[in-house]
Amino acid sequence: AQSVTQLDSQVPVFEEAPVELRCNYSSSVSVYLFWYVQYPNQGLQLLLKYLSGSTLVKGINGFEAEFNKSQTSFHLRKPSVHISDTAEYFCAVSLRPYAGGTSYGKLTFGQGTILTVHP
Amino acid sequence: GAVVSQHPSRVICKSGTSVKIECRSLDFQATTMFWYRQFPKKSLMLMATSNEGSKATYEQGVEKDKFLINHASLTLSTLTVTSAHPEDSSFYICSALRAGAGDTQYFGPGTRLTVL
Repeated sequence: AQSVTQLDSQVPVFEEAPVELRCNYSSSVSVYLFWYVQYPNQGLQLLLKYLSGSTLVKGINGFEAEFNKSQTSFHLRKPSVHISDTAEYFCAVSLRPYAGGTSYGKLTFGQGTILTVHP
Repeated sequence: GAVVSQHPSRVICKSGTSVKIECRSLDFQATTMFWYRQFPKKSLMLMATSNEGSKATYEQGVEKDKFLINHASLTLSTLTVTSAHPEDSSFYICSALRAGAGDTQYFGPGTRLTVL
């Protein structure tokens, strides 16, 4: 089974400051990694994903994440946040197709991190 | 981009009635769709996996007779909450799995169900 731990439930920052949202995962097989953002009363929007290749992944809205296999981490970063980045962020993993079996495609989510950007 | 819609976005119903929620993939075909439930200030809980043309696979603890799922076509899955009770009030979100490119799930905007 897989598990995802988001180490911070809430992260307050000031506008234009850098931010890092931490995510660690546990899995006995290879996984895909995702970050999603959820604005109030809305569904989830994909920010970025790591499938293979370069460990530094760039996503939308200026976010990027780095896959660290040895530390089983996939932290999300942005060098300068805006008020509009205020939202809840979810880290998630899914099994790769060859390892999927009956769990193919299922996402396991972390608990979420609420990012609040203050003026 | 891949777009998934849900209808209705918000529904209020009386206890004992049934409510149907639709999930559509608008610009791609989805052989697999997922249904999630999200409690206030909580993460998403996977309820079931819906595969086109076959029975849904429910997660442990989810009542399949209460949450009926039908995946009639490659672009439509429906969730029917039968005999709804106040404890069924929640935010229900669907997602559609887009094959290829990492099999990314694209999420609908969610449906807020309130049972009085």
